[in-house]
Amino acid sequence: DTEVTQTPKHLVMGMTNKKSLKCEQHMGHRAMYWYKQKAKKPPELMFVYSYEKLSINESVPSRFSPECPNSSLLNLHLHALQPEDSALYLCASSQMGLTSGIAADTQYFGPGTRLTVL
Amino acid sequence: DAKTTQPNSMESNEEEPVHLPCNHSTISGTDYIHWYRQLPSQGPEYVIHGLTSNVNNRMASLAIAEDRKSSTLILHRATLRDAAVYYCILRDVGNTGNQFYFGTGTSLTVIP
Repeated sequence: DTEVTQTPKHLVMGMTNKKSLKCEQHMGHRAMYWYKQKAKKPPELMFVYSYEKLSINESVPSRFSPECPNSSLLNLHLHALQPEDSALYLCASSQMGLTSGIAADTQYFGPGTRLTVL
Repeated sequence: DAKTTQPNSMESNEEEPVHLPCNHSTISGTDYIHWYRQLPSQGPEYVIHGLTSNVNNRMASLAIAEDRKSSTLILHRATLRDAAVYYCILRDVGNTGNQFYFGTGTSLTVIP
């Protein structure tokens, strides 16, 4: 099973709402990632978890709060978002954590959650 | 930090070979060259990667210049399902976000 699943597929929320995005993989991968992708732009890295610890935070605003409850699950908690946060949110995983092997490692991406903030 | 340069768009006729170029003139000796593609309405998917030697797999071939300052992804027979944005990415050892930088990519159109 080489699948990364993401729920929900679509999410519409108001600026005062709190919601969460969920990502799951059962490949035993030790690194998990959140990316944000605006229309017709490349994915931009937000967070990296390596061995269930937050290892990289690309200066993401605190209204985005990641969580890695276990090695298979990654959440992104959303609170007080702005309309400009509307985007496709992609989750990915890779076998290696942030070790020397990561350079040759393959990332597996989920289909994404299409988020609209009203 | 090493970055890549790709043409914004390319066209190919169906069932013909496609050569997608990527320049990475500031590549370091430990950077791996990865290619991913993103089909419409999907997440990116891995295509191929290499370090110094040319590589082949069931999806594509990767030709790496001798000085490693450029590489070419080769799709041997383009199909309509190959229409996607192709990203050339450099990956190195490290704990920074730069190694996960995608670049602008090449949008490939396949003409029936």
